[in-house]
Amino acid sequence: DAKTTQPPSMDCAEGRAANLPCNHSTISGNEYVYWYRQIHSQGPQYIIHGLKNNETNEMASLIITEDRKSSTLILPHATLRDTAVYYCIDARYSGAGSYQLTFGKGTKLSVIP
Amino acid sequence: SQTIHQWPATLVQPVGSPLSLECTVEGTSNPNLYWYRQAAGRGLQLLFYSVGIGQISSEVPQNLSASRPQDRQFILSSKKLLLSDSGFYLCAWSVLELKETQYFGPGTRLLVL
Repeated sequence: DAKTTQPPSMDCAEGRAANLPCNHSTISGNEYVYWYRQIHSQGPQYIIHGLKNNETNEMASLIITEDRKSSTLILPHATLRDTAVYYCIDARYSGAGSYQLTFGKGTKLSVIP
Repeated sequence: SQTIHQWPATLVQPVGSPLSLECTVEGTSNPNLYWYRQAAGRGLQLLFYSVGIGQISSEVPQNLSASRPQDRQFILSSKKLLLSDSGFYLCAWSVLELKETQYFGPGTRLLVL
């Protein structure tokens, strides 16, 4: 079962920032926070990940609270193509260089024109 | 650059028939490979992962098996399909050089009738 908690759905106006929250109540010290998104009928797309510090890349920003119990994915200027299901995941190291991702049901983000 | 291929894209099979889904990765060496399944309206479930040729770890007991005959080839099989095997099957890869971030293929949609 997924260890993270996300709202089932959110709406965002096109051009505005989309802020997607996630609770990581049971995250352990060596688990990374990963965010993926899945557009309908496609494979999940990697967005960003982090351990303790905030991160930014060309797609999004990731804010992780100091206690690491929650994170927020920020899409600075949402477009219609950002409509997707967004998953936050605590990646568990399984040994031999492999991380295991446990996907929950995610947040369905709808970007509205 | 790395690419991942899955085939077939869509498959309709009768109950009791065998299954073979193939995943190949190009542009990298010695990747970790993963098989996930996504049932309708649910999150992704990790089925198998492999850290090398002939090395398979199973996450859940089921009607399926996996094999890794070559470094960049991962196969998902079943001897007799069940109705409950229907779903969206996704293959993913990761490498140490990219911090073991998992990148997903386009998926195979399987319908068992």
